[in-house]
Amino acid sequence: DAMVIQNPRYQVTQFGKPVTLSCSQTLNHNVMYWYQQKSSQAPKLLFHYYDKDFNNEADTPDNFQSRRPNTSFCFLDIRSPGLGDAAMYLCATSRGGFGSGIQETQYFGPGTRLLVL
Amino acid sequence: GIQVEQSPPDLILQEGANSTLRCNFSDSVNNLQWFHQNPWGQLINLFYIPSGTKQNGRLSATTVATERYSLLYISSSQTTDSGVYFCAVGDTDKLIFGTGTRLQVFP
Repeated sequence: DAMVIQNPRYQVTQFGKPVTLSCSQTLNHNVMYWYQQKSSQAPKLLFHYYDKDFNNEADTPDNFQSRRPNTSFCFLDIRSPGLGDAAMYLCATSRGGFGSGIQETQYFGPGTRLLVL
Repeated sequence: GIQVEQSPPDLILQEGANSTLRCNFSDSVNNLQWFHQNPWGQLINLFYIPSGTKQNGRLSATTVATERYSLLYISSSQTTDSGVYFCAVGDTDKLIFGTGTRLQVFP
């Protein structure tokens, strides 16, 4: 089945130690998104890629970076995690982004829950 | 930016009951989606519904774009319907999520 896969499902890191979360998709979608979701809150968009074009949200901290080496994979790098970065990180895909004129359903992966010690 | 509000914030039902969840948004949108987040955190897309009415089994949704609201109907609820229901609307290049409705269905 076509899907969005996130690894690992749980990640424990130390304060200040760089960590990378990964996302892959078999849907061949053009757009990949990264969201942060803290406890009892709605998901908040960090950034997204339309193909290779990177779009950062204005309020996304510089501590968060992303890479998309090919259509299938996208990575979230947290350079120096703080206690406030503990959250669920959700990856999503859609066939076309809003700017493309194709308004499409977003499909989410199962998420990676990050714990910062 | 667009504001998205959902009501009620919490809902407790007995299995078999029906319910209506509401999503109000502050500006015109060209994308509206309903999601269910299960207790394990997985977000499942229920409907892509910028306008009109759709049905999928026990679930149906209606969006009245001119009046800036959407409704999600759950009939004959089951314990597996428990979780958080989010409405999300498309604003330029991103989805803005509402505050969510937490649903608990008891046997």
